[in-house]
Amino acid sequence: EAEVAQSPRYKITEKSQAVAFWCDPISGHATLYWYRQILGQGPELLVQFQDESVVDDSQLPKDRFSAERLKGVDSTLKIQPAELGDSAMYLCASSPRSRNTGELFFGEGSRLTVL
Amino acid sequence: GQNIDQPTEMTATEGAIVQINCTYQTSGFNGLFWYQQHAGEAPTFLSYNVLDGLEEKGRFSSFLSRSKGYSYLLLKELQMKDSASYLCAVNPGGYQKVTFGTGTKLQVIP
Repeated sequence: EAEVAQSPRYKITEKSQAVAFWCDPISGHATLYWYRQILGQGPELLVQFQDESVVDDSQLPKDRFSAERLKGVDSTLKIQPAELGDSAMYLCASSPRSRNTGELFFGEGSRLTVL
Repeated sequence: GQNIDQPTEMTATEGAIVQINCTYQTSGFNGLFWYQQHAGEAPTFLSYNVLDGLEEKGRFSSFLSRSKGYSYLLLKELQMKDSASYLCAVNPGGYQKVTFGTGTKLQVIP
């Protein structure tokens, strides 16, 4: 069964350092999402891509976060510099349809701890 | 804006039935999802309702009332492995973001 791949699974870094997460969605899925989930809360959308274009990044802290999906396939989410409050699970998800009508398929997530 | 409310925690007994409620206020509506999330793991899809009524899938059922902005997830014959967080999520439609509630942490006790 096809899965959304994410790496690394776990990342520990010191504040002010740079960190990057990678996601490879299910083949053929046009829509890719990056969510942040703080412990005890629901996932919060950071950025949504339709192919290589950003559809929604209204909740992305653009002073320190960046995301790209250059060829419309895999994607990278970067944080520079990391802050203590960035400690969270970063979830990547993809959707098989071009509009928000279907379920989201989540990867296993990347858990970030900032010391 | 989007607003989704669900209880923070619930406890139920193994073998029993539990109902987890979700109310929502969104600028549009194109479906409501329920996801299950075990601690430290990614959410997994449980159900999708876009029309009013009850959708049954094994031990899990989900109900939707669009006029009331209300949904519930019903879990029957509870098992210990059902201990998890249950996330209600709404799709406002178009390219608007799917919004998740904060989740209901369900603890199943013997």
